[in-house]
Amino acid sequence: ELKVEQNPLFLSMQEGKNYTIYCNYSTTSDRLYWYRQDPGKSLESLFVLLSNGAVKQEGRLMASLDTKARLSTLHITAAVHDLSATYFCAVMQSGGGADGLTFGKGTHLIIQP
Amino acid sequence: DAGVTQSPTHLIKTRGQHVTLRCSPISGHKSVSWYQQVLGQGPQFIFQYYEKEERGRGNFPDRFSARQFPNYSSELNVNALLLGDSALYLCASSLHLGQFPGDEQYFGPGTRLTVT
Repeated sequence: ELKVEQNPLFLSMQEGKNYTIYCNYSTTSDRLYWYRQDPGKSLESLFVLLSNGAVKQEGRLMASLDTKARLSTLHITAAVHDLSATYFCAVMQSGGGADGLTFGKGTHLIIQP
Repeated sequence: DAGVTQSPTHLIKTRGQHVTLRCSPISGHKSVSWYQQVLGQGPQFIFQYYEKEERGRGNFPDRFSARQFPNYSSELNVNALLLGDSALYLCASSLHLGQFPGDEQYFGPGTRLTVT
């Protein structure tokens, strides 16, 4: 059974600081996703990571994937209040699709002025 | 282009009742997946339908069922509602089964179900 673990689950940080969210998964995966969710809203896709060593950046967010370690990171640079949200990583199992995405529990991020 | 749409947006039901949630995929997409997101948790996979057939099922009781219509829209049905069924129900569509990179799932806005 595929398991996805995120840490930390809760993070309060100040504007201007840097921090990293970690996502570990238990079995081989084709793809890893990062989503953002605002309170009461649906999921907003941030990144899709397909291969070992993949790195993607959008604004102050950068995601990377190490398939050998089964680890992905989401790095936040010089955080701003607008980045406050819950961030989920999700994994599509190799050859999957019919098993859906397996999500982590999410990291609730609060960025304070 | 319209994205994934879901109806209703909010719903309040009583324990023991039945509920039907609806999803329309992105035009051209043939697969619909359903997820349940309980407050404070990540979404959990319930079903995937492709070309009107069930292709995947998560660890949910038989009270949960779904179907897909010829126009690829889908319904999720939940019988004998329990308080624990209160959640945000998300629908996602994809071109095919999502087996290959590039065939990604796109999520709808969700239906918030409250069971009292």
